[in-house]
This record gives sequence, C-alpha cells and structure tokens, in this order.
Amino acid sequence: QVQLAESGGGVVQPGRSLRLSCAASGFTFNSYGMHWVRQAPGKGLEWVALISNDGSMTHYTDSVKGRFTISRDNSKTTLFLQMSTLRPDDTAVYFCARALGAAHGVPDFWGQGTLVTVSS
Amino acid sequence: QSVLTQSPSASGTPGQRVTISCSGSSSNLGSSAVNWFQQVPGTAPKLLIYSNNQRPSGVPDRFSGSRSGTSASLAISGLQSEDEADYYCVAWDDSLDAYVFGTGTKVTVL
Repeated sequence: QVQLAESGGGVVQPGRSLRLSCAASGFTFNSYGMHWVRQAPGKGLEWVALISNDGSMTHYTDSVKGRFTISRDNSKTTLFLQMSTLRPDDTAVYFCARALGAAHGVPDFWGQGTLVTVSS
Repeated sequence: QSVLTQSPSASGTPGQRVTISCSGSSSNLGSSAVNWFQQVPGTAPKLLIYSNNQRPSGVPDRFSGSRSGTSASLAISGLQSEDEADYYCVAWDDSLDAYVFGTGTKVTVL
C-alpha cells in the first residue's frame, strides 16, 4: 500500500534553514507528481509546493517563493523540501502527498506530517 | 489567506443531508475542477472527491460533489457520527499558478 513518511521537522530559529524529507513506498514513485502542504496549529490547510514526476516542473505558493525549494530523488524514492530564511509564520505541520498523476494533479495519498516550529 | 471561501460550520442529525459550499473566482473554480478533503483533527487529510464529482475507491456514495460557475458544493447524505470532521475544497488557480484551499468547514453531528 502507499506509504509516505515525513522526517526532518523540529525547532529552528528565525532566519535559519531546515530540510524536510519524505520517504515513499508502495507505488511507482517516478510516475507521480508530489506535493507539500502545511497546516499551522489550529488553522486550515495551505498548499506549499508541487513537483512533477521527473522534477522538470515545480510550482510554489507566493509566500515561499525564493525561500523554499522542492526536489526529489527518484532513485531513492524520496521527496525533499529545502526551507531557508524561515519565519515564525512558517510554523506548521508539513505533509507530503502524492499527486493524482504525473503532473499537477490534486494530492491523493498523504503522509502523517512533521512539525516545524520556528521560534527563537 | 485563502482564496476559496467556505462557511465555517455545518451540522445535522444522523441520517440528515448536509451541504457545504465553496465560493471562488474565474481563475480557480471558474476554470478548474474542484476537489474535496475530509480531515479528522489530528490526522492527515483524506481525498473525498476529485474532478468535481469523482469518488476515489473506498469513499461511500453518501458523499457527492458538484461545481457550477465559480461555486462548488459537497453533499453528505445519510449523515453518520464518523462524518464529524473538517472539510476543505481545493482547486488549481490559473492566475496564481498554484493550488488554493478553502477556509474549511467544520461539520458537527448532533
């Protein structure tokens, strides 16, 4: 079955960097686009970024453009989110999710999330 | 800041029908399919409806979706206690070149 496991979350000071990973299994990873979606404590869902199956296409929400980079290693079936210049409003649970299809289909299967806390 | 607007809450008794609305604009719901997620607090979201009205395998046919113009709706018929959760609409926005989520609707089963 599809499994997605995020890791790399933790407490980080404002202005610093953090890299999240998402280990995928149970499906043909290089055939699907992948998403990152976040949820601040007590708040709603916010889409963050998307990468196509081959990594050739990426999209970002405006608030993270220039600070976050989504990437993937198909040989290791792993998705990444490199986050830099972190701000307190980046504090959230970060979910990775598989896209419905190779390009920018809606997220279908989701991991359980990893918590990122940006605080001094 | 969410681009898609949902009513904050909805409720019903077991067996009733509940409808959740999602309002957007020409750049999102007016040109792209709507999708719906269910999230029980503390757990990962679950895809309920994709491409306006398609149910993934395993989703009961009590859940149905529709889209018209710049609005969409999710209907839950035969409401059950396990349907108590938060529900989110989401669609691609051509102007933002990004997905946008709705503000979320909390469904309570009385």
